[in-house]
Amino acid sequence: RKEVEQDPGPFNVPEGATVAFNCTYSNSASQSFFWYRQDCRKEPKLLMSVYSSGNEDGRFTAQLNRASQYISLLIRDSKLSDSATYLCVVPPVGSGYSTLTFGKGTMLLVSP
Amino acid sequence: GAVVSQHPSWVICKSGTSVKIECRSLDFQATTMFWYRQFPKQSLMLMATSNEGSKATYEQGVEKDKFLINHASLTLSTLTVTSAHPEDSSFYICSATGTDGNEQFFGPGTRLTVL
Repeated sequence: RKEVEQDPGPFNVPEGATVAFNCTYSNSASQSFFWYRQDCRKEPKLLMSVYSSGNEDGRFTAQLNRASQYISLLIRDSKLSDSATYLCVVPPVGSGYSTLTFGKGTMLLVSP
Repeated sequence: GAVVSQHPSWVICKSGTSVKIECRSLDFQATTMFWYRQFPKQSLMLMATSNEGSKATYEQGVEKDKFLINHASLTLSTLTVTSAHPEDSSFYICSATGTDGNEQFFGPGTRLTVL
């Protein structure tokens, strides 16, 4: 299994829809996880971090399933501005935050 | 929040020339800076990690003589792509961590096109 795997998508959803995508990771000892958002031709920006079971921030919910080794990102009431690529990031164990391994990302397209 | 800038934002050059990309932390001291490369539809791949005043640590498969990294101050790191070739065309992104190392702040990236 690759270190970090994501479904590349694209996920095409209408405005207002709820969409979720998963990210699987290979190292069962991983402790922290991050979701980044990257717009086309832009740098990635931290969206959410997940350290235990999950995290919620407004319309965004991230959950961790340690038994199955995946994290998920749920977006409720999708907005056009949510269209982007969502990158799953898992720091190598013991590296702290400083070394990041990025997934290829899942593309989300929200249409009117 | 912390701001990291990159210059230039894009560059087009002829094959065989060298290109220097600057990465600056504008409002904090960056003890560690990272250089990534991203090809279309691919993930960000870490190229090297540099700490101020010391030699960069390169990831496996990245040629240190081709990608020269200098981190001479706590606010500036440079990446020089020497003798660039078309296959070096990519999106180069730097990031930096402060003294607490709790978060990486990304620069806006530099799009390099080698003709």
